[in-house]
Amino acid sequence: DIQMTQSPASLSVSVGETVTITCRASENIYSNLAWYQQKQGKSPQLLVYAATNLADGVPSRFSGSGSGTQYSLKINSLQSEDFGSYYCQHFWGTPWTFGGGTKLEIK
Amino acid sequence: EVQLQQSGPELVKPGASVKMSCKASGYTFTDYYMKWVKQSHGKSLEWIGDINPNNGDTFYNQKFKGKATLTVDKSSSTAYMQLNSLTSEDSAVYYCAKGGNYDYFDYWGQGTTLTVSS
Repeated sequence: DIQMTQSPASLSVSVGETVTITCRASENIYSNLAWYQQKQGKSPQLLVYAATNLADGVPSRFSGSGSGTQYSLKINSLQSEDFGSYYCQHFWGTPWTFGGGTKLEIK
Repeated sequence: EVQLQQSGPELVKPGASVKMSCKASGYTFTDYYMKWVKQSHGKSLEWIGDINPNNGDTFYNQKFKGKATLTVDKSSSTAYMQLNSLTSEDSAVYYCAKGGNYDYFDYWGQGTTLTVSS
């Protein structure tokens, strides 16, 4: 199975700051990577697919990058609604696996 | 608008089975895989399996083979997941999610909370 390792596990930031979350795959996943946001008590929502493509309705302050085994999600100028947990997921062969998550908290 | 409406919370006894549902609307049900995901309290997400609503073909995470059974009813655009031989380890929130053009999860249901307790 492909292991997805996210870092950091948690992050305390202020509104207006820029943050980067990273995800490392245990083998090359050829950009078959998605990012999700989950707010407390809610279901996850797709943010980015195929490493760099924003899902419909996702604000342009979000961006995805990376290739091979290393990927990043960047959020420019954090807004209050961006706080929550973020997960990466690969889709290069089953089983699809998720990272352990990054919890973004307000400083 | 794509919507996935999941059935309500379940409280079941150890050893029992449960069947939960996910009713899809807003898209052609048979055109996209339906996926199921487990989220234990405070934990990350685990893929359980996929089902092709067009022909019923299923693909399971080895970890959940024998535990979960996925089915669909095309006439009502509803997907189902049955979980067997329940233990406290099965207590979690279970999500259905529509597959995208590739194997990411582009729309999610609101989740069904399962509590296994005597």
